[in-house]
Amino acid sequence: AQSVTQLDSQVPVFEEAPVELRCNYSSSVSVYLFWYVQYPNQGLQLLLKYLSGSTLVKGINGFEAEFNKSQTSFHLRKPSVHISDTAEYFCAVSSGGSNYKLTFGKGTLLTVNP
Amino acid sequence: EAGVTQFPSHSVIEKGQTVTLRCDPISGHDNLYWYRRVMGKEIKFLLHFVKESKQDESGMPNNRFLAERTGGTYSTLKVQPAELEDSGVYFCASSQEGYGRHEQFFGPGTRLTVL
Repeated sequence: AQSVTQLDSQVPVFEEAPVELRCNYSSSVSVYLFWYVQYPNQGLQLLLKYLSGSTLVKGINGFEAEFNKSQTSFHLRKPSVHISDTAEYFCAVSSGGSNYKLTFGKGTLLTVNP
Repeated sequence: EAGVTQFPSHSVIEKGQTVTLRCDPISGHDNLYWYRRVMGKEIKFLLHFVKESKQDESGMPNNRFLAERTGGTYSTLKVQPAELEDSGVYFCASSQEGYGRHEQFFGPGTRLTVL
């Protein structure tokens, strides 16, 4: 069975500050890793994904994440946030095979203050 | 290209009533998933269709939930009879076959409130 832990339920930051949203996973098999974002009153949008290859993955809106297999982590980072980054962020894993269903963490609400 | 659409956006019903949620995936996407987020909890997988066939329904809570995907196009999720604990946001997602399976495109969700 897989599980995902997002260590922070809420992260308040000031505009232009750097941010890191933490994600740890557990799985007995190889995984694919994802970060999704949900802006207010919208659906989930894929920010970035790790499938294989380089462990540093760049996504949309200036976000990046690093896959660390030894620490089973996939933390999301942005060097300078904007007010418009205020949203809920979800880390998710899938194991492929015949079903690419996603297992999600509980989400981290990022609030960017002026 | 239209994204994944869901109808209705909100539904408020009484305990014991029936509700049907609809999802229209992106055209040409064979894979269709249903997920649910109960307040304060994580988003959880309900089931997966490949075309019109149920590939995995291991996440369905109980037999009050019935999902269908007629002709491999849109899907419906019926809850009958609804209970208080069914309240939450129901998301639908779709993806292509092959390498595109890795990226699921989500709809805006249906917020279901059972009173």
